[in-house]
Amino acid sequence: KQEVTQIPAALSVPEGENLVLNCSFTDSAIYNLQWFRQDPGKGLTSLLLIQSSQREQTSGRLNASLDKSSGRSTLYIAASQPGDSATYLCAVTNYGGSQGNLIFGKGTKLSVKP
Amino acid sequence: GAVVSQHPSWVICKSGTSVKIECRSLDFQATTMFWYRQFPKQSLMLMATSNEGSKATYEQGVEKDKFLINHASLTLSTLTVTSAHPEDSSFYICSASSWSAGRTDTQYFGPGTRLTVL
Repeated sequence: KQEVTQIPAALSVPEGENLVLNCSFTDSAIYNLQWFRQDPGKGLTSLLLIQSSQREQTSGRLNASLDKSSGRSTLYIAASQPGDSATYLCAVTNYGGSQGNLIFGKGTKLSVKP
Repeated sequence: GAVVSQHPSWVICKSGTSVKIECRSLDFQATTMFWYRQFPKQSLMLMATSNEGSKATYEQGVEKDKFLINHASLTLSTLTVTSAHPEDSSFYICSASSWSAGRTDTQYFGPGTRLTVL
């Protein structure tokens, strides 16, 4: 059974710092991996999607890497800003799984202090 | 583009009553909609998948007679929590996908509905 773990559960950094969020998964047979952002009491915003054949994806100050064989992904946020404060969720879709079967981690709650 | 709305955003009800939550795709036709549940400090868990005009497919452990899902049109899916109990209190989030909205491996999420059962 696929399990997704995110470390740390919470992170507080001063504005301007670069930071890394970690995600690990137990079954490497994944179709893709996604990083989402969730603001308090809100839905999810997709940040980056990495197909199983890819190693990384970049969008602005965000860079996500994927090492499928070791079951790890990282989300790198450069020059963090207070507006980046949110909970970041990692989710995988198992290879052969249904499209809807996103398996989420519990998230990392990020706080960027001015 | 690809906006999904949910109504209501929050609801409080008495134990034993039924609550209906709506999920709408505002600017695309959603052939598939998904319902998730998120308990405090827990992961989002998929409850069911619904395709327009078909019966929903429920995940293991989700009672289909308690959580009624209707996907009667390409822009609307509803989740009805029947005979709600305090343990059903949670954050319910829907998502939708369609070729017309982009890649089928992309789900667009609604803002969620906070249900509190007293």
